[in-house]
Amino acid sequence: KAGVTQTPRYLIKTRGQQVTLSCSPISGHRSVSWYQQTPGQGLQFLFEYFSETQRNKGNFPGRFSGRQFSNSRSEMNVSTLELGDSALYLCASSFLGVATEAFFGQGTRLTVV
Amino acid sequence: DQQVKQNSPSLSVQEGRISILNCDYTNSMFDYFLWYKKYPAEGPTFLISISSIKDKNEDGRFTVFLNKSAKHLSLHIVPSQPGDSAVYFCAASYSSNTGKLIFGQGTTLQVKP
Repeated sequence: KAGVTQTPRYLIKTRGQQVTLSCSPISGHRSVSWYQQTPGQGLQFLFEYFSETQRNKGNFPGRFSGRQFSNSRSEMNVSTLELGDSALYLCASSFLGVATEAFFGQGTRLTVV
Repeated sequence: DQQVKQNSPSLSVQEGRISILNCDYTNSMFDYFLWYKKYPAEGPTFLISISSIKDKNEDGRFTVFLNKSAKHLSLHIVPSQPGDSAVYFCAASYSSNTGKLIFGQGTTLQVKP
């Protein structure tokens, strides 16, 4: 059974640019959650999508957005990148959004220069 | 506003001894608590969870204790093994049916042979 796949694994962008990250959940999983991990702030919840609808949202500015497609694959977009957006972005998938059944991907390491 | 706190950034124990990782929370509305383990360059892996209606849950070498009155939980690993060396995150959610988790900042455990 394939795990959660995040692409790309590494990304370098310039301040002011925008970026799109992708997450392919485990087959059959309908919930995808996104997290930002930074050394100072730890793991912070960005948003959760369930059956193409945003179900929960964290405290991030509107520059951070996401969506989920009918095949449950999810993308997150960050516009007008800032140096502080440099982080490891993780997604987690589960069948019903049950936290104890969530599996995380390896993450996308974004560096903003 | 850090609702989940892991006040010890690191912990070092000898192989075979007990490892105790601590976590405090501030929001009494949390209904579910989880522990994750994370190796470098990998996503977090679910370890063990506990519902707020319980005070203890055990799974093999791992036991989680919950003290609701003190808003404190702890993870005990007995006996500790070198392969347990990793970053441990505690997390909380408002229910088991949500992909939204509030994470602590993590504790790096080193188990020395």
